[in-house]
Amino acid sequence: AQSVTQLDSHVSVSEGTPVLLRCNYSSSYSPSLFWYVQHPNKGLQLLLKYTSAATLVKGINGFEAEFKKSETSFHLTKPSAHMSDAAEYFCVVSAPRPDYGGATNKLIFGTGTLLAVQP
Amino acid sequence: DAGVIQSPRHEVTEMGQEVTLRCKPISGHNSLFWYRQTMMRGLELLIYFNNNVPIDDSGMPEDRFSAKMPNASFSTLKIQPSEPRDSAVYFCASRGGQKTYNEQFFGPGTRLTVL
Repeated sequence: AQSVTQLDSHVSVSEGTPVLLRCNYSSSYSPSLFWYVQHPNKGLQLLLKYTSAATLVKGINGFEAEFKKSETSFHLTKPSAHMSDAAEYFCVVSAPRPDYGGATNKLIFGTGTLLAVQP
Repeated sequence: DAGVIQSPRHEVTEMGQEVTLRCKPISGHNSLFWYRQTMMRGLELLIYFNNNVPIDDSGMPEDRFSAKMPNASFSTLKIQPSEPRDSAVYFCASRGGQKTYNEQFFGPGTRLTVL
């Protein structure tokens, strides 16, 4: 079974300081991992994804994440926070479903981390 | 591309009424997903379709909920009769291809309020 745990429900940083949003996953199969962002009253937008190629993944808006298999982690980072980064961030795992012949599989969402950026 | 289109964006209805939410996936995408988001339960997958066929509806809360995908460009989620606890934001998402790393593209959501 697949699952994902976001270790912090709320994170507050000052503008210009680094951002770290933590995520641990569990998967019986080689997972694909995603980070999505949701701004207030908006839909979800993909930030970045890990697809078993490079372990350090760069996404939009200066975010990046590193896949660490030994730690089963996929933490999201950004060197310098901007006010516009204030949003909710979801860590997501996806893995193939052999019972469906490896076809269409579900995304499993974490509970989300609300990032606040203080001026 | 216009992205995933959902309608209506907001719906307010009274308990007991039928509600129909609509979704148009991105052209060429072969998988479609319906999610519900609430403060209490977060983001929950309700049902998903692959090539217009429902694959997994284990997330559908009860018989009051039903979803259809009559063709590759349209899907509906119906609640009948609606109850106040159905109030939530309902998202539709679509995806192209079969790879696990193919991301889902989300629509803007429908905010449902049942009075």
